[in-house]
Amino acid sequence: QKEVEQNSGPLSVPEGAIASLNCTYSDRGSQSFFWYRQYSGKSPELIMFIYSNGDKEDGRFTAQLNKASQYVSLLIRDSQPSDSATYLCAVMEYGNKLVFGAGTILRVKS
Amino acid sequence: ETGVTQSPTHLIKTRGQQVTLRCSSQSGHNTVSWYQQALGQGPQFIFQYYREEENGRGNFPPRFSGLQFPNYSSELNVNALELDDSALYLCASSSRGTGMSGYTFGSGTRLTVV
Repeated sequence: QKEVEQNSGPLSVPEGAIASLNCTYSDRGSQSFFWYRQYSGKSPELIMFIYSNGDKEDGRFTAQLNKASQYVSLLIRDSQPSDSATYLCAVMEYGNKLVFGAGTILRVKS
Repeated sequence: ETGVTQSPTHLIKTRGQQVTLRCSSQSGHNTVSWYQQALGQGPQFIFQYYREEENGRGNFPPRFSGLQFPNYSSELNVNALELDDSALYLCASSSRGTGMSGYTFGSGTRLTVV
């Protein structure tokens, strides 16, 4: 069983700062990694996915992958109060099945 | 293009009862996966259906069962409900070959077992 670990938080950052969310995974053979955002009472929403080592940027979001260290992170630049949510890290198993971490609560204070 | 729809949105059942949750997949998607998300936890994979057959199952007992219909919609059935079955149940549709960029979650069904 693959495992995905995240710090539950809450992570508190001031508005305009960079929020850094981290995730480690147990299966060295994992290939695909995903970040979902989940507002309270809502379903997860895909923010980014990354397959290759290095950085992938999309607007204010940057995903970073280090397969050697089995580590994936999400950076949110210019954090806004609307970014306050739970961020779920997920790894894909064979057959399009996702293994999720428990999520990190992010609070952006204005 | 319609998204993934789930019904009902909320449901309250008594311990020991049975429940059926429904999911309509996104247009063009042929695979449906079900997840259970307990409060404060990440979603956990229950099972997946592809072409009307179960295609993988997580660590859930047999009282969790499902169906997929020819139009790719799906049902999740839970028998002999237990208090711990209280959770948000999420359905996700995808299409083989499109990769995870096509993994769309529905809005979920909040099940409360009392």
